[in-house]
Amino acid sequence: EVQLVESGGGLVQPGGSLRLSCAASGFIFRTYWMFWVRQAPGKGLVWVSHIKNDGSYTYYADSVKGRFTISRDNAKNTLYLQMNSLQAEDTAVYYCARGGLPNSYDYWGQGTLVTVSS
Amino acid sequence: QSALTQPPSASGSPGQSVTISCTGTSSDVGGYNYVSWYQQHPGKAPKLMIYEVSKRPSGVPDRFSGSKSGNTASLTVSGLQAEDEADYYCSSYAASNRYVFGTGTKVTV
Repeated sequence: EVQLVESGGGLVQPGGSLRLSCAASGFIFRTYWMFWVRQAPGKGLVWVSHIKNDGSYTYYADSVKGRFTISRDNAKNTLYLQMNSLQAEDTAVYYCARGGLPNSYDYWGQGTLVTVSS
Repeated sequence: QSALTQPPSASGSPGQSVTISCTGTSSDVGGYNYVSWYQQHPGKAPKLMIYEVSKRPSGVPDRFSGSKSGNTASLTVSGLQAEDEADYYCSSYAASNRYVFGTGTKVTV
């Protein structure tokens, strides 16, 4: 059974940093592209970033470029999102998702809430 | 990259059909056959319902179907059931390895 479990969310002050993790199981992690998608409270889904299966290519939404870094450890079956210079607008539930079908997200984690507030 | 445009709400009675539109541009929806649709119940993670415009992942009922014409994609839910009441989001590849979601549609049964 495919499982994605996010962790690392919490309350952080503006300008602060946080690292999210997504532990994957039930599939061959190293063969899949992986994504981060966020959803602000009461709002819609927004693509944040994604990473090639071997980690050689990374892509970011303009709103997070230069502040967020996506990475992965295929030996640990884990996806990461390092978030720096956090702003109130980054407050959201962050989901990791698997890119298992062409240009779509076929499995999602349960999400982890990040709240940026003083 | 602007969000794709969806109607805020749609509704139908049990057994009826509802169609949700997703309008983008030639740089996203119109330029690629990479539109996908997601169902999200309150407090839950999204679930993939349609990929590559009209393909259904294993386990998704054939009551769900997708199509595209020009810059607008559509999701149709036929034979509406109570459990279909949820938020629905479209998504499209948008060139240069970027992706964009729709604004979301709340479907009421």
